Amino acid sequence: DAGVTQSPTHLIKTRGQHVTLRCSPISGHKSVSWYQQVLGQGPQFIFQYYEKEERGRGNFPDRFSARQFPNYSSELNVNALLLGDSALYLCASSLNRVVREQYFGPGTRLTVT
Amino acid sequence: LAKTTQPISMDSYEGQEVNITCSHNNIATNDYITWYQQFPSQGPRFIIQGYKTKVTNEVASLFIPADRKSSTLSLPRVSLSDTAVYYCLVGDSGNTPLVFGKGTRLSVIA
Repeated sequence: DAGVTQSPTHLIKTRGQHVTLRCSPISGHKSVSWYQQVLGQGPQFIFQYYEKEERGRGNFPDRFSARQFPNYSSELNVNALLLGDSALYLCASSLNRVVREQYFGPGTRLTVT
Repeated sequence: LAKTTQPISMDSYEGQEVNITCSHNNIATNDYITWYQQFPSQGPRFIIQGYKTKVTNEVASLFIPADRKSSTLSLPRVSLSDTAVYYCLVGDSGNTPLVFGKGTRLSVIA
């Protein structure tokens, strides 16, 4: 069975640019959550989407946005990139809205120069 | 959100049992306790989850005392491949997201 997939694996962007990260959940999973993980820290919650609606938002600026598509895949968009946005961006899927047991993808390593 | 406190790091020799304790003094009635494992440059991996007493699976055991203010993840006979960061999370996750702390960095030595 395919796990959570994310693309791209690595990305280098310049300050001020925009980036779109993509995630495909495990088949049958309807909830997708996004996390940001900077070096040495635990993952920080950004968004949760369930049934194509935003169900939770972490303490991130409006430059961060996301959406979930009818096939439950998801995109995370970040505008006006800052150096501090450099991090590993993780996507996690769960069967339903309750996310105690989540399955994480390998992440997208974003470097902002 | 219930906060958790874990040791920053632990060392162990191969073949030993490792116990990582997590404190969560303000755990709520509906909260579950969940542990994740993370290797460098990979996403966290679900290990085990429990509500009370003891839970065991093929990877680990989770011990939760009656007051539920702490929990202990037990890894039997660790190997070098168990070197990773282990996160303890507490929450019901119905309406609030799970919060990851800094975790415990376990180093297994040959």
